[in-house]
Amino acid sequence: GENVEQHPSTLSVQEGDSAVIKCTYSDSASNYFPWYKQELGKRPQLIIDIRSNVGEKKDQRIAVTLNKTAKHFSLHITETQPEDSAVYFCAAVKGGGADGLTFGKGTHLIIQP
Amino acid sequence: DGGITQSPKYLFRKEGQNVTLSCEQNLNHDAMYWYRQDPGQGLRLIYYSQIVNDFQKGDIAEGYSVSREKKESFPLTVTSAQKNPTAFYLCASSIVLSVYSNQPQHFGDGTRLSIL
Repeated sequence: GENVEQHPSTLSVQEGDSAVIKCTYSDSASNYFPWYKQELGKRPQLIIDIRSNVGEKKDQRIAVTLNKTAKHFSLHITETQPEDSAVYFCAAVKGGGADGLTFGKGTHLIIQP
Repeated sequence: DGGITQSPKYLFRKEGQNVTLSCEQNLNHDAMYWYRQDPGQGLRLIYYSQIVNDFQKGDIAEGYSVSREKKESFPLTVTSAQKNPTAFYLCASSIVLSVYSNQPQHFGDGTRLSIL
């Protein structure tokens, strides 16, 4: 089955700096890669996703890149703000239809004021 | 999301007891999922259902059971066979547009299960 590795487990950055979280996946058939943000005790919320037919996607301060050859994808957050502090999860799934996601173990992002 | 309701928010189980977690959605989504989250871990898939009266095992289905009698409901039973049930349980749902394209999954607020 699919295996998703996520690094780093903890990331501390100064407010205003950029943060990058990286994930690798094992199944070359995977073709959908969402990212979720989870605040303490709350539900995961989808922040951005990418499909295997594109290499990059942006949404304001958030971007995701995908390298299918190397089987890795990354989340980039620019101009970090205190409200970006949370745990971020990457996930992968192979199409199609409605299979369950395989998640990484999460990155605790800490924004230092 | 407001359209996915999990209850109860907190649940306590005695040894040897089965408990059922509720998940209801009013988003008209075809697919529903159950995940388990342990501290410091990512979410792990327990069961999922793409259509009424059909469901598939996920990566950690042992000790759990589900049913999907209605499109909007996907209850999860944690049986006494699950030896380490203490965890945060999350239900999710998604639309199904085609067999070739996965759609975003949206989560409920979760149920926190503890052993007495």
